[in-house]
Amino acid sequence: GENVEQHPSTLSVQEGDSAVIKCTYSDSASNYFPWYKQELGKGPQLIIDIRSNVGEKKDQRIAVTLNKTAKHFSLHITETQPEDSAVYFCAAKRMTGNQFYFGTGTSLTVIP
Amino acid sequence: GAGVSQTPSNKVTEKGKYVELRCDPISGHTALYWYRQSLGQGPEFLIYFQGTGAADDSGLPNDRFFAVRPEGSVSTLKIQRTERGDSAVYLCASSLGRTPSTDTQYFGPGTRLTVL
Repeated sequence: GENVEQHPSTLSVQEGDSAVIKCTYSDSASNYFPWYKQELGKGPQLIIDIRSNVGEKKDQRIAVTLNKTAKHFSLHITETQPEDSAVYFCAAKRMTGNQFYFGTGTSLTVIP
Repeated sequence: GAGVSQTPSNKVTEKGKYVELRCDPISGHTALYWYRQSLGQGPEFLIYFQGTGAADDSGLPNDRFFAVRPEGSVSTLKIQRTERGDSAVYLCASSLGRTPSTDTQYFGPGTRLTVL
């Protein structure tokens, strides 16, 4: 099965700085990679996703990059704000499959 | 409400008891997932429904765990003879259910199960 590793487990940044979270996956057949934000007491919420036919996707202050050869993908948050503080999860999936495999999460703290 | 709802929000039970956790998906979503999230971990897949049928139950840890979705909407996760190791947050998610699927999963707030 798929194994998704995520680093770092915790990350603190000053407001306005950038934050980068990295994930690696093991199954070369995985071709869909969503990122979720989870706030305390809530379920994860999709913030951005990328399919394996593109290398980068951007949505305002959030971007994701994918390196299929190296089997890793990263989340980039620019101009961080205190409301970005949350736990972020990466995930991997085969588009023809049913299971999403999640990383272990990164707790991001943005210091005002 | 338009989101996924789960009840109860918290459940405390004693070892050996039976529990049922309920999930109300978004109306019209044919796909429904159950996950288990332990402290400090990502969600772990348990079971996936497409309509009324369990299309993939390979994530259920053992035969104490069972889930149903009799009318293709509400789902119930059932845990028999609970053990302390079952303590976790149980998350439900639903999506439109297209195949192949990269549909957005919408998660509920979860049920926190504590087995004493």
